[in-house]
Amino acid sequence: GQNIDQPTEMTATEGAIVQINCTYQTSGFNGLFWYQQHAGEAPTFLSYNVLDGLEEKGRFSSFLSRSKGYSYLLLKELQMKDSASYLCAVGDSNYQLIWGAGTKLIIKP
Amino acid sequence: ETGVTQTPRHLVMGMTNKKSLKCEQHLGHNAMYWYKQSAKKPLELMFVYSLEERVENNSVPSRFSPECPNSSHLFLHLHTLQPEDSALYLCASSQDRTSLTYNEQFFGPGTRLTVL
Repeated sequence: GQNIDQPTEMTATEGAIVQINCTYQTSGFNGLFWYQQHAGEAPTFLSYNVLDGLEEKGRFSSFLSRSKGYSYLLLKELQMKDSASYLCAVGDSNYQLIWGAGTKLIIKP
Repeated sequence: ETGVTQTPRHLVMGMTNKKSLKCEQHLGHNAMYWYKQSAKKPLELMFVYSLEERVENNSVPSRFSPECPNSSHLFLHLHTLQPEDSALYLCASSQDRTSLTYNEQFFGPGTRLTVL
């Protein structure tokens, strides 16, 4: 079966760095997405990786290793507004997105 | 504001009611999606439309009936729902359903549905 695993909840301190991991097993691979979802709001796109390596975009970076079925989202200089759920999703061979259950990130002052 | 709107934002209905959810995208996209989001569960893809044609129906009960009259509008008709259908229903759109490069999905704010 197809499966996306990510931690349910993480806590970090304002100004610090946090890494959210995602492992996947899917039929085929057409890229890995990270989305951010604040409580009561729509998910919004953060990043896309289709090749191995690190993609950096401001305070956020996303890493992919296809051979290990592994990705992480790295958030630097954490701010209170980063408190949200972070969703990992993988495009399978039919271009459907297979979603993880999301990681709720709590930022403390 | 993502360019995808959904109405209503909240809906409470009894099991014998009939209601419809509406989604509209202002992005000129060709693909539209309905998802169900339940607490602490992954997003569940319900239906996919590409160029107004339904291309995916992921074993969704017949009490959910989608309609796509044009590429900008998507409806989800609901009838005789069960309490376990209570969830956040999200609509999304993307430029195309398939692409060799990334195909970001833009989500609406969702309809919070409660079935009594």
